[in-house]
Amino acid sequence: DGGITQSPKYLFRKEGQNVTLSCEQNLNHDAMYWYRQDPGQGLRLIYYSQIVNDFQKGDIAEGYSVSREKKESFPLTVTSAQKNPTAFYLCASSIELAGEGNNEQFFGPGTRLTVL
Amino acid sequence: AQKITQTQPGMFVQEKEAVTLDCTYDTSDPSYGLFWYKQPSSGEMIFLIYQGSYDQQNATEGRYSLNFQKARKSANLVISASQLGDSAMYFCAMRGVDNYGQNFVFGPGTRLSVLP
Repeated sequence: DGGITQSPKYLFRKEGQNVTLSCEQNLNHDAMYWYRQDPGQGLRLIYYSQIVNDFQKGDIAEGYSVSREKKESFPLTVTSAQKNPTAFYLCASSIELAGEGNNEQFFGPGTRLTVL
Repeated sequence: AQKITQTQPGMFVQEKEAVTLDCTYDTSDPSYGLFWYKQPSSGEMIFLIYQGSYDQQNATEGRYSLNFQKARKSANLVISASQLGDSAMYFCAMRGVDNYGQNFVFGPGTRLSVLP
């Protein structure tokens, strides 16, 4: 079955440690995205990538880093510079088409990160 | 800049009744797409319905329909015959075009509670 996987579902880390959240997709999508969601809030874009070896900062990129070495994978590192990293992190992907069309984002199940 | 507004933080509806969730958007792009997603308490994001800016007819998907009023820049979601399983957060989103390519913007969400 095609889809997006994120692991782990729950992650605990000590303050000051870097942590990497994985995101893998087998949908053959070009575009991938990382969002952060705080309790009772909407989604805020951290980083996105339209193609392998290229990515762009979203609205709240400070304290985060990403890589896109393979089309299927878009890992997110939460660094110690992120002041309030405890949140729910969602990864998504979409077919990248020029112009019109239903270019919906497919989401992974999310990773809930808690920094102690 | 693109922006999505959802003015209803929370909504209640009686089971089997219809409910409308409001969404207004702001964009200067001539071509864009509008999406609705459902987020149950489990955290996953479920795609519900899509409306393209050039679509002449309102989109429908089963019990979901989108009341698209382009001149008013609104894209309200209508859920008919509400079910208890419809209780969730609902997000309106827009796909637009920035300087780099395509991008998604999400609204703050509306929490729908279906009452038995």
